[in-house]
Amino acid sequence: GQNIDQPTEMTATEGAIVQINCTYQTSGFNGLFWYQQHAGEAPTFLSYNVLDGLEEKGRFSSFLSRSKGYSYLLLKELQMKDSASYLCAVRDHGSSNTGKLIFGQGTTLQVKP
Amino acid sequence: DSGVTQTPKHLITATGQRVTLRCSPRSGDLSVYWYQQSLDQGLQFLIQYYNGEERAKGNILERFSAQQFPDLHSELNLSSLELGDSALYFCASSEILGYGYTFGSGTRLTVV
Repeated sequence: GQNIDQPTEMTATEGAIVQINCTYQTSGFNGLFWYQQHAGEAPTFLSYNVLDGLEEKGRFSSFLSRSKGYSYLLLKELQMKDSASYLCAVRDHGSSNTGKLIFGQGTTLQVKP
Repeated sequence: DSGVTQTPKHLITATGQRVTLRCSPRSGDLSVYWYQQSLDQGLQFLIQYYNGEERAKGNILERFSAQQFPDLHSELNLSSLELGDSALYFCASSEILGYGYTFGSGTRLTVV
């Protein structure tokens, strides 16, 4: 089976940097995704990691360590509009021919002025 | 607009009733995935279809069923509705072995 853990809530200040961690346990591994979801809206894709290391995309970066079953999403220069839930999702090896993603519970980030 | 269309956006119905949620995938995507998101739960995978065939099944209740039609749109049928079925239901589509999902805007179901 799969188990994905993220902190439930985080708070940060506008202009600061925040790191959202995700740990996972899966029977296999075929990629890790981060999605952003504003309340009541659809999740939108942020990043994808399948190899170890850091992927940078503007103010957002995502890191993966497959040996540790660990990823983080780094948000820089926080803006008020970054207040949202951040979902970590894993595509496990058993699902490699379906593309099915298993999502964590999500981390609700509140950005304060 | 993500390219994935879900209808209706909102649905209010009584316990015991049956509803049908509809999803049209992004052009070219053969795979459709259904998820349920309740207030205190994350996105729970329900079921996946690929090119008309069921491909993967998650924690889907027996009262729920789905299908994908030749034009690739999919329908999720929820019957004998209970208060606990109130949730956001999302559909996502992707290319098989693809890069991840594109989500529709969801259907908010309220059972009263």
